[in-house]
Amino acid sequence: EAAVTQSPRNKVAVTGGKVTLSCNQTNNHNNMYWYRQDTGHGLRLIHYSYGAGSTEKGDIPDGYKASRPSQENFSLILELATPSQTSVYFCASGDWGLGAEQFFGPGTRLTVL
Amino acid sequence: AQSVTQPDARVTVSEGASLQLRCKYSYSGTPYLFWYVQYPRQGLQLLLKYYSGDPVVQGVNGFEAEFIKSNSSFHLRKASVHWSDSAVYFCAVSATAGNTGKLIFGLGTTLQVQP
Repeated sequence: EAAVTQSPRNKVAVTGGKVTLSCNQTNNHNNMYWYRQDTGHGLRLIHYSYGAGSTEKGDIPDGYKASRPSQENFSLILELATPSQTSVYFCASGDWGLGAEQFFGPGTRLTVL
Repeated sequence: AQSVTQPDARVTVSEGASLQLRCKYSYSGTPYLFWYVQYPRQGLQLLLKYYSGDPVVQGVNGFEAEFIKSNSSFHLRKASVHWSDSAVYFCAVSATAGNTGKLIFGLGTTLQVQP
């Protein structure tokens, strides 16, 4: 069964609204990551976490917050959604350390109107 | 700083033909290198990973990659492609700063296999 799950799988939001994307992993990994994927940009790292209670800024954190309340759960929060945040969002988990593989969820397709 | 370049945004091959997807990296030291595949409407899945040893590493579904240090390359190969190999392929390298487990991805190469 899937070790990294995301919800919702699809979301339509209005500009200025709040959006929360959720991720759950059963791999018992310390690290979790949020990426967005856009044509021409590949995967870009938004926020990541080394464990419960920690969040770190990735390469494009502006307009996003993250929350890691437990080892298993990692949320991405858009407080004031904008159309430029329309994208596909992927969560991943992995061990801490050089060379660690990352395991990806199925993605959330977010459309901000 | 580490970086990954995949020079081909799109590659089209005929079913049964051989395949090479190119990847060049920038890295000081010996890198951990990865190839991931993304099938339509799915997340990324690991194809193979290399750190040391035999420079040709075998992966799933008949894929292999060769590490050539002198050329800073880690090209992905398959002897005979199937239509089901149509997907987006990402090359990645481990980020060294802080030894954190972060990966740096290339922009990906879309592979289309024609019947």
